[in-house]
Amino acid sequence: EDQVTQSPEALRLQEGESSSLNCSYTVSGLRGLFWYRQDPGKGPEFLFTLYSAGEEKEKERLKATLTKKESFLHITAPKPEDSATYLCAVGPMNTGFQKLVFGTGTRLLVSP
Amino acid sequence: DVKVTQSSRYLVKRTGEKVFLECVQDMDHENMFWYRQDPGLGLRLIYFSYDVKMKEKGDIPEGYSVSREKKERFSLILESASTNQTSMYLCASSSSNTIYFGEGSWLTVV
Repeated sequence: EDQVTQSPEALRLQEGESSSLNCSYTVSGLRGLFWYRQDPGKGPEFLFTLYSAGEEKEKERLKATLTKKESFLHITAPKPEDSATYLCAVGPMNTGFQKLVFGTGTRLLVSP
Repeated sequence: DVKVTQSSRYLVKRTGEKVFLECVQDMDHENMFWYRQDPGLGLRLIYFSYDVKMKEKGDIPEGYSVSREKKERFSLILESASTNQTSMYLCASSSSNTIYFGEGSWLTVV
């Protein structure tokens, strides 16, 4: 069964304190791995898609990396406005991008 | 920018009522989706549509139906709302490999 596990469930950082969020996945062939940011009461906002092991993508203070079993979202020198829930999802090879499997997210709180 | 618009942000309905949740996208995307999101369970796919009048069941279709009469519009229907359908409902659309979400509709069934 395709599965996505995100850790930690919640993370509290001081402003400027860099850290990483983990997304471990079990899937029968990976077509793509997605990262989303979700603010309270709003829909997920697309951040990155990664397709193959070794791939990296960056956007401002965020950098996503991918291995054959997991992905990391590295947050460098975070600011309070980075506080949100970060969701990871995978697109299995057999269902592609029409049936993503989502993790339950990591709630990030960055204090000033 | 991709825009997925859900017409109702907050709804309160009574048990047994028929509920319509409407969603419109402005990017001419082929695929549209309805998810529900519950604490601790993540996003779960209810239905998706890959073309006008075409639909496929997701992981939790029971108690729901959908309608796609026009490419830009995808409706979720709760034929007879029940309290266990209280949730946040998210509409999404995609053309190829990226799914874009709307702001969500909070439904409370009392």
